[in-house]
Amino acid sequence: KNEVEQSPQNLTAQEGEFITINCSYSVGISALHWLQQHPGGGIVSLFMLSSGKKKHGRLIATINIQEKHSSLHITASHPRDSAVYICAVRGVLAMDSNYQLIWGAGTKLIIKP
Amino acid sequence: ETGVTQTPRHLVMGMTNKKSLKCEQHLGHNAMYWYKQSAKKPLELMFVYNFKEQTENNSVPSRFSPECPNSSHLFLHLHTLQPEDSALYLCASSPWGILDSPLHFGNGTRLTVT
Repeated sequence: KNEVEQSPQNLTAQEGEFITINCSYSVGISALHWLQQHPGGGIVSLFMLSSGKKKHGRLIATINIQEKHSSLHITASHPRDSAVYICAVRGVLAMDSNYQLIWGAGTKLIIKP
Repeated sequence: ETGVTQTPRHLVMGMTNKKSLKCEQHLGHNAMYWYKQSAKKPLELMFVYNFKEQTENNSVPSRFSPECPNSSHLFLHLHTLQPEDSALYLCASSPWGILDSPLHFGNGTRLTVT
């Protein structure tokens, strides 16, 4: 079992729907990252969270450290939001660098017009 | 434009071939990384370079050989690969020592080993 689990693995929704993607982890963490991978392959960092909530445009990321759970929400979803969304965590022991991330397998999101 | 450029975008090679993947970044970062991404699996960190020095080799088979001639360029030399090595190979860069600074990824090289 991976230390970082994402759900669902695949999600198809209609344009305009409110989207929630979940990330659960089993290790103590210092930070959690959400990233977006477009069909072309490139990966873009969306958020880094260590507590609470962050918002950028139609994207909202929340984290509950006690429950070891984070969610990524997309409001008013649009076909251009179609991508793979990846969660990654930095464990509390990985204090000397930012490459020691534990990665989730990703959630593939398709938004239909 | 991500600031990290990978070439080629696609590569098909036989098991006896030798090829190289190239990565270039113009972001002024001093750390560069190779990742392997197989279908429906988490990213796997392969190699890490910090100021041209290799600081991590994640038990990668010797048929993968990295090279970092300077902080802006990173290569992955491939020889006698296996079909299970077919995957998307991603290069990334970041500032070294700044915790949780975002990784900047290239668009990847889609490798198919026949």
